[in-house]
Parts: sequence; structure tokens; C-alpha cells
Amino acid sequence: EIVMTQSPATLSVSPGERATLSCRASQSVSSNLAWYQQKPGQAPRLLIYGASTRATGIPARFSGSGSGTEFTLTISSLQSEDFAVYYCQQYNNWPLTFGPGTKVDIK
Amino acid sequence: QLQLQESGPGLVKPSETLSLTCTVSGGSISSSSYYWGWIRQPPGKGLEWIGSIYYSGSTYYNPSLKSRVTISVDTSKNQFSLKLSSVTAADTAVYYCARSMVRGISDVWGQGTTVTVSS
Repeated sequence: EIVMTQSPATLSVSPGERATLSCRASQSVSSNLAWYQQKPGQAPRLLIYGASTRATGIPARFSGSGSGTEFTLTISSLQSEDFAVYYCQQYNNWPLTFGPGTKVDIK
Repeated sequence: QLQLQESGPGLVKPSETLSLTCTVSGGSISSSSYYWGWIRQPPGKGLEWIGSIYYSGSTYYNPSLKSRVTISVDTSKNQFSLKLSSVTAADTAVYYCARSMVRGISDVWGQGTTVTVSS
């Protein structure tokens, strides 16, 4: 099983600032990496797949990069609606595995 | 617009079987190249993939749950289902159904249903 780790666990950011979230896989997942956003009481929402492709309707301020074992999600200028928990997930191998999440909160 | 809706008992007794159904609307569950899966989230915790079924009928399960999980599809009702046997309090969670592209890109999710395991 591929273990996903994320850092930091919590990121405090002011609105308008840039946020950089990291995700690491215990072995290479190529570019088979997705990012999800989850707000309290809601289902996760797909943001990024293929490590860097934005899902339909996702604003351009969200960008993903990386391959192999190291990945980054960048939110260029945080909006109020972006404060949430972000999960990375690999789909290179079964079983599918998620990282523990990074909570982005208001500084 | 594709929509998914989970349904099933909100309370299950320990040692019994948890049964949930996901109803797909706005599209066919028989559409080629999609996976239909279940993900759960214990209170205050992260996401755990339970398993998926491919449109062809092939199933894939989390090894940590494999001995207790069955996922099936009913194309006549445009539904897929989850059965989790011998539940304990550790199975208390919000259960989500989701459609996935390319194995694990879950682009459409249900709203989730809370299942509590308690006597």
C-alpha cells in the first residue's frame, strides 16, 4: 500500500496570500495524483488530477505540480471560500490512498 | 448533470451488516470507463477508500476491509451498493459514494450519509 503524507497539518494564511501545500508518496505514483478540497459538512470536491490538471470549473488560482513522490498544491491568492481541508490521493495503484489532509485556516 | 445520492440506515448494531445504496441520476451507471466507489470518513478524521466497481463488474477493495466488503451494481435501478459485515464502532463514519474516472479520479460525489454503529 502506498502511504501518502501531507505537510503542514495546518496552514494559517491571510486572505490574498499564497498558500503552498505539500504531499509525498511512499513510492512513485508517476503523475497519478489528485487533490480534493473539503469544507465542513460537505463532500470532497475534485480540484486537480494528473498532478497538474484542473478539474472542470476550478479557478485558475489553484495549481498543482510534481511527479513521482513529491507534489505541491498552490493557491495563488487565497479567497474566503478557500479556507478548507485539502487532501491528496494517489490512484496509481490499488488500494487508492489519501493523505491525512492539510487544514488551511484564516490567519 | 450527474448526481449521486446515498441511502440506508443511519444506525447499525455491532456485529450486523451495514447496507448502503447509491442512486445515480442524470446518467447511466453502465457508462463505459467509469468506476463507482465508496469512501468513508470517521468523525473528525480523514478519508478512507473502501472499494470500487468498474462498469464491467470488476471489483477492487481496500485490503484492510476486503474480508467484510461487497460492492455490487444493479443496472436496472441505476444503483450500486455497499455491504460491510461484522461492523464495530470503528465503522462509524460518513459514507460517500462517488464516480471515478481512470480508476481513482473521483469527480462526482454524493452528499454523504452518516452511519453510526451502536447497540
